[in-house]
Amino acid sequence: QQPVQSPQAVILREGEDAVINCSSSKALYSVHWYRQKHGEAPVFLMILLKGGEQKGHDKISASFNEKKQQSSLYLTASQLSYSGTYFCGTEPLNAGNMLTFGGGTRLMVKP
Amino acid sequence: DAGVIQSPRHEVTEMGQEVTLRCKPISGHDYLFWYRQTMMRGLELLIYFNNNVPIDDSGMPEDRFSAKMPNASFSTLKIQPSEPRDSAVYFCASSRTFSNQPQHFGDGTRLSIL
Repeated sequence: QQPVQSPQAVILREGEDAVINCSSSKALYSVHWYRQKHGEAPVFLMILLKGGEQKGHDKISASFNEKKQQSSLYLTASQLSYSGTYFCGTEPLNAGNMLTFGGGTRLMVKP
Repeated sequence: DAGVIQSPRHEVTEMGQEVTLRCKPISGHDYLFWYRQTMMRGLELLIYFNNNVPIDDSGMPEDRFSAKMPNASFSTLKIQPSEPRDSAVYFCASSRTFSNQPQHFGDGTRLSIL
């Protein structure tokens, strides 16, 4: 069963913040985040491995609540280049590197 | 290093024809994944290999689909016979050994079955 992402779509102005949530019904080992621009391949953003872990890259960060089986992606001071569809991929316990992807969150940043 | 290479980038064929998609993973990556992406179903895992051995093919939709990995640098996904509902973007991805590793995606093959 695929994880549930919310919201399904969001429109921002440059400089605004956004949060994308990913929720799973299974106990998780890790959560992966990817961004896909239209007509292109998904591109890896980050992996979160441990409960409560928070990672960041530039102005994009994420958290992982292992107990709640949830992860959130935070986009701060959004830029036009952030536009695209964001996917979380969840890796259940004992599943090797097999990911199940959520339905995606379409993000559009306007000038 | 070169990324994951897929061919062809686009394929248009008629229903009933055999379709073969190709993938060259990143050198040194032990895992190879085949995904299918559609608007309706999103990004679905079809099958994955570890060290050239198929590990989980539960996502393969029907017997019309088959995948092979004859060596560490090449994999194929074959559809025979093809049907219009197979139209989708097919991605190949690879990753290093075991867990916690990012998956690197190829540019995909956009398949249209008429």
